[in-house]
Amino acid sequence: SQELEQSPQSLIVQEGKNLTINCTSSKTLYGLYWYKQKYGEGLIFLMMLQKGGEEKSHEKITAKLDEKKQQSSLHITASQPSHAGIYLCGADSSRGGSEKLVFGKGTKLTVNP
Amino acid sequence: DVKVTQSSRYLVKRTGEKVFLECVQDMDHENMFWYRQDPGLGLRLIYFSYDVKMKEKGDIPEGYSVSREKKERFSLILESASTNQTSMYLCASSFGGPTVNYGYTFGSGTRLTVV
Repeated sequence: SQELEQSPQSLIVQEGKNLTINCTSSKTLYGLYWYKQKYGEGLIFLMMLQKGGEEKSHEKITAKLDEKKQQSSLHITASQPSHAGIYLCGADSSRGGSEKLVFGKGTKLTVNP
Repeated sequence: DVKVTQSSRYLVKRTGEKVFLECVQDMDHENMFWYRQDPGLGLRLIYFSYDVKMKEKGDIPEGYSVSREKKERFSLILESASTNQTSMYLCASSFGGPTVNYGYTFGSGTRLTVV
């Protein structure tokens, strides 16, 4: 079965600093989703990547999927306290779009003012 | 604004009680899911449903059951609550067929404590 490994598990940065979170898959990724979770709340969809080499940005967050479609990164530029939370990657567990996502264990981000 | 609504944000129940967690979505989604989230273990799939009256076991179904009598509602049932079922429970829904663009829409979660 597919497994997603996220690194680092936790990250503490000073406000204004850039940071990167990685998500590595044991198998080819046919759809990779990034979510953000505020502490104690549900997950909010950020971005979805499907094609090798694809890159998407929203405000100060950029997500990339490598050419081999086995690794994705989430980059935050000039971090702010509002970026704090848990970031999770999720992936389609089969090529045909099985509707069943598997998730990484998450990266906890703390941004100090 | 599209929504997945979980009936309770916080719940405290006693060991042995039968517990119902309700989830309602207003997006006409075919698929609905129940996950639990625990520190260090991430999200683990309990049950999911692709259609009304249809259910499939996820990775950790033991001690749980589900009900989907209507398309918009997916209930998680703890038959006899135990302390190891203390957790954050997350409901999600998605369109049928290959997921495009949005993946799942999640509810706000129910933090269940079993004492």
